[in-house]
Amino acid sequence: QKEVEQDPGPLSVPEGAIVSLNCTYSNSAFQYFMWYRQYSRKGPELLMYTYSSGNKEDGRFTAQVDKSSKYISLFIRDSQPSDSATYLCAIRDDKIIFGKGTRLHILP
Amino acid sequence: NAGVTQTPKFQVLKTGQSMTLQCAQDMNHEYMSWYRQDPGMGLRLIHYSVGAGITDQGEVPNGYNVSRSTTEDFPLRLLSAAPSQTSVYFCASSWGRDNEQFFGPGTRLTVL
Repeated sequence: QKEVEQDPGPLSVPEGAIVSLNCTYSNSAFQYFMWYRQYSRKGPELLMYTYSSGNKEDGRFTAQVDKSSKYISLFIRDSQPSDSATYLCAIRDDKIIFGKGTRLHILP
Repeated sequence: NAGVTQTPKFQVLKTGQSMTLQCAQDMNHEYMSWYRQDPGMGLRLIHYSVGAGITDQGEVPNGYNVSRSTTEDFPLRLLSAAPSQTSVYFCASSWGRDNEQFFGPGTRLTVL
């Protein structure tokens, strides 16, 4: 089993909808979880960073970690066409391990 | 600050040719790394460096060499290009191995 699993999508939702992006991971010892956003033909950039379990909110974005299920989620409220990008989850071990990314399209 | 810069943006090579992808950062970061990104494969670590003079292999190092003579620069050399090395290459830097990574804009490489 790979250390981080992520559905590649693409995921298409109408503007204004709530988006849910998810990853599963294999090692229950992981403590640090990140979400990167990558626009087309650009490098990834850090969007959110959480430690251990629980929620973290930043504007329209909420990152959630469920350690019992080894499941991490990113929710986007009031989605905008500018949110269209690939979203990569990442986990910090002795190095950073990236998921393969989910392509998200917000339809105007 | 320019952040992480990469040159060239695009490159086309013939099989067997060699070339160097350039990466530079002006944030005084100790840790630098090279990734390749392929459809369906995500980001895969090629080589990394924890400081000037120190480099190590990542997940997919074969066919690539690196050196780190200064804190700022971390070039990636393709010794004899193969079509399997067609990819988008990203350089990244951070304070340490497990800190937030700052990525460059990428180099799109095609090997014919």
